[in-house]
Amino acid sequence: GAGVSQSPSNKVTEKGKDVELRCDPISGHTALYWYRQSLGQGLEFLIYFQGNSAPDKSGLPSDRFSAERTGGSVSTLTIQRTQQEDSAVYLCASSLVRTLNTGELFFGEGSRLTVL
Amino acid sequence: SQKIEQNSEALNIQEGKTATLTCNYTNYSPAYLQWYRQDPGRGPVFLLLIRENEKEKRKERLKVTFDTTLKQSLFHITASQPADSATYLCALRPNSGYALNFGKGTSLLVTP
Repeated sequence: GAGVSQSPSNKVTEKGKDVELRCDPISGHTALYWYRQSLGQGLEFLIYFQGNSAPDKSGLPSDRFSAERTGGSVSTLTIQRTQQEDSAVYLCASSLVRTLNTGELFFGEGSRLTVL
Repeated sequence: SQKIEQNSEALNIQEGKTATLTCNYTNYSPAYLQWYRQDPGRGPVFLLLIRENEKEKRKERLKVTFDTTLKQSLFHITASQPADSATYLCALRPNSGYALNFGKGTSLLVTP
């Protein structure tokens, strides 16, 4: 597709359930990021994938959060045993990794997660 | 710790005026700085990148300055229009790792 695609756009779940959020990056972009944006807050970095390198997981808030990127393309962010504080918009972004690592990020529209 | 600070108060200006937004940072040694625009319910959109050896960058009605001594970037929109109303985010890479860290953004409202 022309842009970064995320699904679902909205997800309402009950506390304690697991959720999966999907991101389809721009074709050819080797770098993929997940961010979280809570209401009125800035973007919080979660995880970064680059090609076949080991992902940078330094932003994952707890071991309930995990992410995969299969075949260097589609990524899935999984939140296990969801809590109310997990409610936020989860944004995915992809990028070309240019010289000096200055590639701008192209964001999807986000997945809004509400945990009741 | 590393911090990126943007004015948390919304900036209200009249159409036609120049809007100036500020981004201050602490404990970063950035090679470059990026600015993004975010509309409600949408993902951020890249606007401009300025490198540490560039004092000023322009793109149409946008101008960005970067002062590594003051540790500050200023983002200007000249001849502002109501369509410029949005939240503007600055972003830096930390000294290690590949994450792009964002400020919380400043909301701009341009009234006719």
